[in-house]
Amino acid sequence: EVQVVESGGGLVQPGRSLRLSCGASGFTFDDYAMHWVRQAPGKGLEWVAGVSWDSGIIGYADSVKGRFTISRDNAKNSLYLQMHSLRTEDTALYFCAKDRTSYAFGDLDSWGQGTLVIVSS
Amino acid sequence: SSELTQDPAVSVALGQTVRITCQGDSLRFFFAGWYHQKPGLAPILVIYGRNNRPSGIPDRFSGSSSGNTTSLTITGAQAEDEGDYYCNSRDSSGKILLFGGGTKLTVL
Repeated sequence: EVQVVESGGGLVQPGRSLRLSCGASGFTFDDYAMHWVRQAPGKGLEWVAGVSWDSGIIGYADSVKGRFTISRDNAKNSLYLQMHSLRTEDTALYFCAKDRTSYAFGDLDSWGQGTLVIVSS
Repeated sequence: SSELTQDPAVSVALGQTVRITCQGDSLRFFFAGWYHQKPGLAPILVIYGRNNRPSGIPDRFSGSSSGNTTSLTITGAQAEDEGDYYCNSRDSSGKILLFGGGTKLTVL
């Protein structure tokens, strides 16, 4: 069974940093691109960042570019999101999601249950 | 434009057919994916590519596209189909994913 499980969320003050992790199982992790998608309370889905299977293609939403870094460790079947200079508007449920393809960004066919990040003083 | 636009809300009578649409320039070049999200749960991919359903998705869900518009059709809507529906697509750079604002479906 394909499974992705997020961790690392919590309450953090504005301007501080936080690192999210996503552990994957049930599929060959290094065959697929992976993504972070977030959802602010009561709002829609917002794609945050994505990385191809070999980290050769990395993309970020404009809202997080320069502050967030996505990375992956294929040996550990893990995806990460390093977040710096956090803002109150970064408060959201952060989902880890598996792409259907290895290189091009497209359809997300498996999602975790999310980890909640609250940015507040 | 790098946006995908959806109607905020749509309703359908139980057992009837409903179409949910998504508009955006990127859709002229790339297929959209469609996701269903129920309150408190993660989204689920229901349609991808030209008109493909992942394993386990009922065949009452179908997709189509024309020009800059893609559509999700539910033929014979069921109560469990209520929730939010999102479209997504890549942009021309191939390094950015876009999501529509979501459509809330109510089954009456």
